[in-house]
Amino acid sequence: EAQVTQNPRYLITVTGKKLTVTCSQNMNHEYMSWYRQDPGLGLRQIYYSMNVEVTDKGDVPEGYKVSRKEKRNFPLILESPSPNQTSLYFCASSLGAGAGYEQYFGPGTRLTVT
Amino acid sequence: KNQVEQSPQSLIILEGKNCTLQCNYTVSPFSNLRWYKQDTGRGPVSLTIMTFSENTKSNGRYTATLDADTKQSSLHITASQLSDSASYICVVSYSGGYNKLIFGAGTRLAVHP
Repeated sequence: EAQVTQNPRYLITVTGKKLTVTCSQNMNHEYMSWYRQDPGLGLRQIYYSMNVEVTDKGDVPEGYKVSRKEKRNFPLILESPSPNQTSLYFCASSLGAGAGYEQYFGPGTRLTVT
Repeated sequence: KNQVEQSPQSLIILEGKNCTLQCNYTVSPFSNLRWYKQDTGRGPVSLTIMTFSENTKSNGRYTATLDADTKQSSLHITASQLSDSASYICVVSYSGGYNKLIFGAGTRLAVHP
């Protein structure tokens, strides 16, 4: 089944403890992206990747890191999480980077930082 | 500033009734507009995509309209079902070189029996 998977689905952590949220897609998509969703706001892009070893900042990159060493994986790293990073996170992928390509979203990771 | 605004924020209707959700955008240059459905606890799933030249597009009981002149779109749901309870998100792509999406905050629809 074609899909985007994220792990973990739920995570509660403490301020400053490094964590990684994994994202994997099995559709051979070139483009991958991370978003955060907060109440009353639209999804906001954190980072995106056009292809392997090519990443760039989105609208809200502060406090996050990403890497794209393999085409299928795009982990999101929080080196020192803070309470304002408590949010619902979505990974997405699309066949290409152009606006006409549909982005397929993972199931989400709900992160709570205390 | 590129923005997408949706109304209403939330809506409650009875099963079997119709409803219309609104989306206004200021994104430029415009590439396309999608409506996504997001079930609780799930990622968004695309319902329709509309380009500049398209006025109407249907997907089953969902019909999206686009007025590129006034920069408005609507999503009409016919004969609503309990499974239509979800958030509906309007997403506009602009021709910024890559797949840059501007998301609306969504309309939360609840269909009651």
